[in-house]
Amino acid sequence: AQKITQTQPGMFVQEKEAVTLDCTYDTSDPSYGLFWYKQPSSGEMIFLIYQGSYDQQNATEGRYSLNFQKARKSANLVISASQLGDSAMYFCAMRTRDSNYQLIWGAGTKLIIKP
Amino acid sequence: DTAVSQTPKYLVTQMGNDKSIKCEQNLGHDTMYWYKQDSKKFLKIMFSYNNKELIINETVPNRFSPKSPDKAHLNLHINSLELGDSAVYFCARGGNIQYFGAGTRLSVL
Repeated sequence: AQKITQTQPGMFVQEKEAVTLDCTYDTSDPSYGLFWYKQPSSGEMIFLIYQGSYDQQNATEGRYSLNFQKARKSANLVISASQLGDSAMYFCAMRTRDSNYQLIWGAGTKLIIKP
Repeated sequence: DTAVSQTPKYLVTQMGNDKSIKCEQNLGHDTMYWYKQDSKKFLKIMFSYNNKELIINETVPNRFSPKSPDKAHLNLHINSLELGDSAVYFCARGGNIQYFGAGTRLSVL
């Protein structure tokens, strides 16, 4: 079965600290893509970062990096030097051939940055 | 430019009414999607359209119908609205990365 698991329903982090949001995935398809999206309180869904299953290096986008551990089937999002504006829901998602390339979503993690 | 334009942002209506949500993307990509996000923030795909053909239709009531007049548009029509239809609906365009519209918060009273 294809599944995304986000085990942290909520997190509080002090401003300027680094944050790691957990995501584990399950698929038997050797070709897949992993995504992170941010949903602030204003409601929009914002794409953050993408990792392909065959990518040799971990993806990075500014303060965001994806800690991709293929053997463990984990794709944790790391946010460095957190800011108040990082407070939001964060969703991990996966796309595979078996899913007909539609995204399979995790339940999300609500991140609150404390000043 | 990854613009996906979705209107309206808020929609408040009475039970039994019919309403539409519009979605337009300016990238010419073939695939567009509609998602429903419930009160627990869980995202569920409703439809996807590829080259104006429906290729995914999850267990969605037939009161919901996507309409794609051209490759740039995928509108969502909802007939006989029910209380349980209250949710946030997102349009997205396909490609390697899915980009989302701003969402429509539908409230059925």
